[in-house]
Amino acid sequence: DGGITQSPKYLFRKEGQNVTLSCEQNLNHDAMYWYRQDPGQGLRLIYYSQIVNDFQKGDIAEGYSVSREKKESFPLTVTSAQKNPTAFYLCASSKTGTQSGELFFGEGSRLTVL
Amino acid sequence: EDQVTQSPEALRLQEGESSSLNCSYTVSGLRGLFWYRQDPGKGPEFLFTLYSAGEEKEKERLKATLTKKESFLHITAPKPEDSATYLCAVRYYKLSFGAGTTVTVRA
Repeated sequence: DGGITQSPKYLFRKEGQNVTLSCEQNLNHDAMYWYRQDPGQGLRLIYYSQIVNDFQKGDIAEGYSVSREKKESFPLTVTSAQKNPTAFYLCASSKTGTQSGELFFGEGSRLTVL
Repeated sequence: EDQVTQSPEALRLQEGESSSLNCSYTVSGLRGLFWYRQDPGKGPEFLFTLYSAGEEKEKERLKATLTKKESFLHITAPKPEDSATYLCAVRYYKLSFGAGTTVTVRA
């Protein structure tokens, strides 16, 4: 079955450490996204990518970095510069490009900073 | 300021008790309104797309409608398995999500 796989599902980090969240899709979608979800708030866009080797900052990119070396993969690194990284992180893709609102989401990764 | 507002924040229903969720938006140049369902600890699952006022979409016990400034998600005769958080999102020059309505249906 096609879909989006995020790993790990749960991750604990000490302050000052960088961590990388994995996102892999086998839907053959060009566009991929990273969102952050906090209680009581809507999903907020961190980064997005329309094609391989190209990505754009979203609304809350500070303290995060991404790469897009393969169509299937869009990993997110949460750096030590991110002041409040504890959150639920969601990776998504869309088949009709970044103007779409019909997104396919992974199951999420919950990051907790100790 | 919030572009997309969902109400109520939480809704508790008895099985079979129909109700509606609201998604209001203040953006101009709407290019689409989208509803998602999210189960606890999971990613959202796409439900519907609405593009113009008067449009309606249905899926099982769910029906989504759209006016010029808001959308409603009607849940008819809900069952416990309809318990979830329902998110709406609005596409204008970007995609903006509301905070969601958490629906709990008791048997």
